[in-house]
Amino acid sequence: GIQVEQSPPDLILQEGANSTLRCNFSDSVNNLQWFHQNPWGQLINLFYIPSGTKQNGRLSATTVATERYSLLYISSSQTTDSGVYFCAVATNQAGTALIFGKGTTLSVSS
Amino acid sequence: DTGVSQNPRHKITKRGQNVTFRCDPISEHNRLYWYRQTLGQGPEFLTYFQNEAQLEKSRLLSDRFSAERPKGSFSTLEIQRTEQGDSAMYLCASSSSGDGFYGYTFGSGTRLTVV
Repeated sequence: GIQVEQSPPDLILQEGANSTLRCNFSDSVNNLQWFHQNPWGQLINLFYIPSGTKQNGRLSATTVATERYSLLYISSSQTTDSGVYFCAVATNQAGTALIFGKGTTLSVSS
Repeated sequence: DTGVSQNPRHKITKRGQNVTFRCDPISEHNRLYWYRQTLGQGPEFLTYFQNEAQLEKSRLLSDRFSAERPKGSFSTLEIQRTEQGDSAMYLCASSSSGDGFYGYTFGSGTRLTVV
């Protein structure tokens, strides 16, 4: 089955710093989503981005489908950005049976 | 709309007992998914419904697990004869097939502890 690798596994930042999280996947995908799991366990959908670039406030994401990777950029990080960031992919557009990576754990300190 | 609602939030049960969880998706979403997450791991897919039809099941979903979505609205996930290995967070998500956006909305999950 499709493999999803996220890097780095852990990231520690000072408030205000920028960061880039990477997601590599082993096969063509029609559905790619980034999620943030906050310290209380709630998974929040950040982006649905099977290809191209999207921005939402301080967050942006780029997926280069032909090269099988996606990047999540966090600018001017805040303590509320702390948590685990997951990349999830599926080979069908409907996104059934999303395969999640192991996540990047981000800790932002003030 | 209050998002995806899951009940109960926490469940502690003795090994061998049956448990049932409920998920109420976003009302206009026709797709509903169940995932399981253990500590330190990403969520793992269990099963998927489109309306009332269960269209996909993971090999993770043993015979002790059953899910239903009567009338295409809320869904239940039942685990029979629970085992300690069933201890996990059970997550429900929903999405819509009609608007070209296939992003999921997750509920807060039900944390199951089997003692």
